[in-house]
Amino acid sequence: DADVTQTPRNRITKTGKRIMLECSQTKGHDRMYWYRQDPGLGLRLIYYSFDVKDINKGEISDGYSVSRQAQAKFSLSLESAIPNQTALYFCATSDPASRDRLDGYTFGSGTRLTVV
Amino acid sequence: GQQLNQSPQSMFIQEGEDVSMNCTSSSIFNTWLWYKQDPGEGPVLLIALYKAGELTSNGRLTAQFGITRKDSFLNISASIPSDVGIYFCAGPTNAGGTSYGKLTFGQGTILTVHP
Repeated sequence: DADVTQTPRNRITKTGKRIMLECSQTKGHDRMYWYRQDPGLGLRLIYYSFDVKDINKGEISDGYSVSRQAQAKFSLSLESAIPNQTALYFCATSDPASRDRLDGYTFGSGTRLTVV
Repeated sequence: GQQLNQSPQSMFIQEGEDVSMNCTSSSIFNTWLWYKQDPGEGPVLLIALYKAGELTSNGRLTAQFGITRKDSFLNISASIPSDVGIYFCAGPTNAGGTSYGKLTFGQGTILTVHP
């Protein structure tokens, strides 16, 4: 089983619909992240969380919300999907014990979201 | 905000050739990371660099942390078809300070290897 699991892997939704992307991890890491990947732009941070009671906005949080239901679960919601939110979304975890040594980062396999 | 500029944007090479790509920034970074993304998968860490001037190898891959702390390069020697993918550089957001695990990514280099 993967250390970081994202569901669904692919989703097509209509403009205006609410959609939730889910992420669960078995790494035991406290820190979890949601990134968005667009062609030619790399990955950009949407939201991050350091524990169940901690939620922080990233670089591009407008139009998104998150929920940290448990240490192992971090969900991303699009409240009212729009076409320019069509992208590849990645969940990631990291180990705070490694402080700013970032080699403990683990990414999920991604969710490809298309908004029509 | 911080930006990492990666070049080239794409490369088409023959199997067996060497590859070189680089990443530059206007800000100083205290860590440089190189990731590879296979089609349909998330990025996987190839090499992490923590010291200016550091040269680190991982098999056929070699990466260096530039002396100015504003650049890094990745070389792949004797490329093979499975080297195909997107290569990203990344560094901690807030560059020289504490990033709390947040990463800033370059735009990626798409590598195609012809057999």
